[in-house]
Amino acid sequence: DTEVTQTPKHLVMGMTNKKSLKCEQHMGHRAMYWYKQKAKKPPELMFVYSYEKLSINESVPSRFSPECPNSSLLNLHLHALQPEDSALYLCASSQSTGRDGYTFGSGTRLTVV
Amino acid sequence: GNSVTQMEGPVTLSEEAFLTINCTYTATGYPSLFWYVQYPGEGLQLLLKATKADDKGSNKGFEATYRKETTSFHLEKGSVQVSDSAVYFCALSRNTGGFKTIFGAGTRLFVKA
Repeated sequence: DTEVTQTPKHLVMGMTNKKSLKCEQHMGHRAMYWYKQKAKKPPELMFVYSYEKLSINESVPSRFSPECPNSSLLNLHLHALQPEDSALYLCASSQSTGRDGYTFGSGTRLTVV
Repeated sequence: GNSVTQMEGPVTLSEEAFLTINCTYTATGYPSLFWYVQYPGEGLQLLLKATKADDKGSNKGFEATYRKETTSFHLEKGSVQVSDSAVYFCALSRNTGGFKTIFGAGTRLFVKA
């Protein structure tokens, strides 16, 4: 299995809703990542988990809350988002060092209304 | 700091034309270098990589050589196809207390039949 699976593919949520994005990989990778990508822009790093521990938080607002329940799963909990948070959210995984590149999921297209 | 600069697009080519997308980087030490490709509506896919100076990465007819003396990692393909139309991101990965990948702005390629 050489895939990263993200669900849902599309999500529309109101500014008072709570929702979660899910990511799963079965490649034995020990690092997992959340990226945010706006249209016609490169991905921006949000969080890095290494061996299930949060190792990098790129000063992301607290309305985004990551969680890594085990080495195969990564969640992103969303609460009280703003319309400007609408974007493509990408999950990725890699070997622990990241030097050999990432495997990305196909993303969740999030729209905040 | 670490950064990646790649040529602005869009780049428009006819089928079977030669492709070059320029990429230069700024980093201390010895980063790994990558090219990722993003097709419409999808996540990023690792296209090729190089982990040390003078390494050549290659995949699907695409090539790039890690040139430390010119801090460059230009992407080339001898004969492009319509199916190569996508956005191409140059990236570097460094260990800064957790591996981070820094992406260039992306170059959109259109290939006409």
